[in-house]
Amino acid sequence: QSALTQPASVSGSPGQSITISCTGTSSDVGSYDYVSWYQQYPGKAPKLMIYEVSNRPSGVSNRFSGSKSGNTASLTISGLQPEDEADYFCTSYTSSSTRVFGGGTKLTVL
Amino acid sequence: QVQLQESGPGLVKPSQTLSLTCTVSGGSIRSDGYFWSWIRQHPGKGLEWIGYIYYSGNTYYNPSLKSRVTISFDTSKNQFSLKLSSVTAADTAVYYCTRGRTSSDHYWGQGTLVTVSS
Repeated sequence: QSALTQPASVSGSPGQSITISCTGTSSDVGSYDYVSWYQQYPGKAPKLMIYEVSNRPSGVSNRFSGSKSGNTASLTISGLQPEDEADYFCTSYTSSSTRVFGGGTKLTVL
Repeated sequence: QVQLQESGPGLVKPSQTLSLTCTVSGGSIRSDGYFWSWIRQHPGKGLEWIGYIYYSGNTYYNPSLKSRVTISFDTSKNQFSLKLSSVTAADTAVYYCTRGRTSSDHYWGQGTLVTVSS
């Protein structure tokens, strides 16, 4: 199984919106609504931000939203804040009953 | 509140078996519908899914690691474990245990660094 494809980096100014893409195949992202997104700060464990494409766990800001179209899932952060600067990873369930992660995207808040 | 804590040797010699345990508190590891996963992160790199054990005991592994990985429950201690055999320097990473649903990890341990070196 190949890793999901994410842009290595994205950036935005405070208050703006950014979108991070996560591209897979018809064997993973395209076939299942089991895509999740994680936020990770340096030296810390990842934190679940979005699950099942568009659901937010309790306590996660509604500035974070998820969507999917075809083989590509997306994470959108609106009203960008300095504390959003972190690494973001996507993951998907696959047709082999396994999971695959994206390579990660570094978000810089300018 | 569910909490997970990884434990095990921080240094493993090449060709030996890496063994880690995840101790779960605040919930039973046999609770209906949960996946218990191991995920690792090489220094400065992305996340790699190693495998999971379903509450029923069924296991699923990353195809690239499948020949070397075993994940199992110790129900009496409310723990689950990871064994990775024939390790090399490429297995040096931070190892996380998690609890979640299908492809979503709602609870994470703090992670433990395992270095493979002679």
